[in-house]
Amino acid sequence: DAKTTQPPSMDCAEGRAANLPCNHSTISGNEYVYWYRQIHSQGPQYIIHGLKNNETNEMASLIITEDRKSSTLILPHATLRDTAVYYCIVSGGGSNYKLTFGKGTLLTVNP
Amino acid sequence: DTEVTQTPKHLVMGMTNKKSLKCEQHMGHRAMYWYKQKAKKPPELMFVYSYEKLSINESVPSRFSPECPNSSLLNLHLHALQPEDSALYLCASSDRDRGTKQETQYFGPGTRLLVL
Repeated sequence: DAKTTQPPSMDCAEGRAANLPCNHSTISGNEYVYWYRQIHSQGPQYIIHGLKNNETNEMASLIITEDRKSSTLILPHATLRDTAVYYCIVSGGGSNYKLTFGKGTLLTVNP
Repeated sequence: DTEVTQTPKHLVMGMTNKKSLKCEQHMGHRAMYWYKQKAKKPPELMFVYSYEKLSINESVPSRFSPECPNSSLLNLHLHALQPEDSALYLCASSDRDRGTKQETQYFGPGTRLLVL
């Protein structure tokens, strides 16, 4: 599986957009980008995933660069409840069952 | 409904005890997973069951014994654990998207295990 690189921590003001970057320069053509988050002491929560097109759902938007070497998760209006560790994971390409979690980004939303 | 339930929420056991963790999903998912998460670390995959058969064992010690009695249930039997096995044990389930062939995993809340 391709490895990902994320900043260890980020801050965001409540009500503002939170933009979380992820680098995955070794991603292969059939691998997807997944985002999960984990609020303290809870199980990881699925957010969104994509292959090459931008994706949007009720939780967030996922922007993938044209070369697919990086992506950005956007939470359009962050709330205090969005404070969590956000994991960017590359998966698929024959290892569809494996989610290899990296260290993630601790997003702290401040009032 | 994307709910995976796990029982118990907390468990304290001695090194000579035998205990079991239970995971249940009613989404019709065909794959189920056990992960282990140590404090301040990311989750690590332990086992994967697909169609009730063990398909991946990530070189987990034999003191952890998984069991999939049916398509909705997944157990993790614990025996002779060590204090370093204290962790949050997470269960997940997934089903394959027919179009993309991708498995999107949904996690339960976890069981926090303390081994004394």
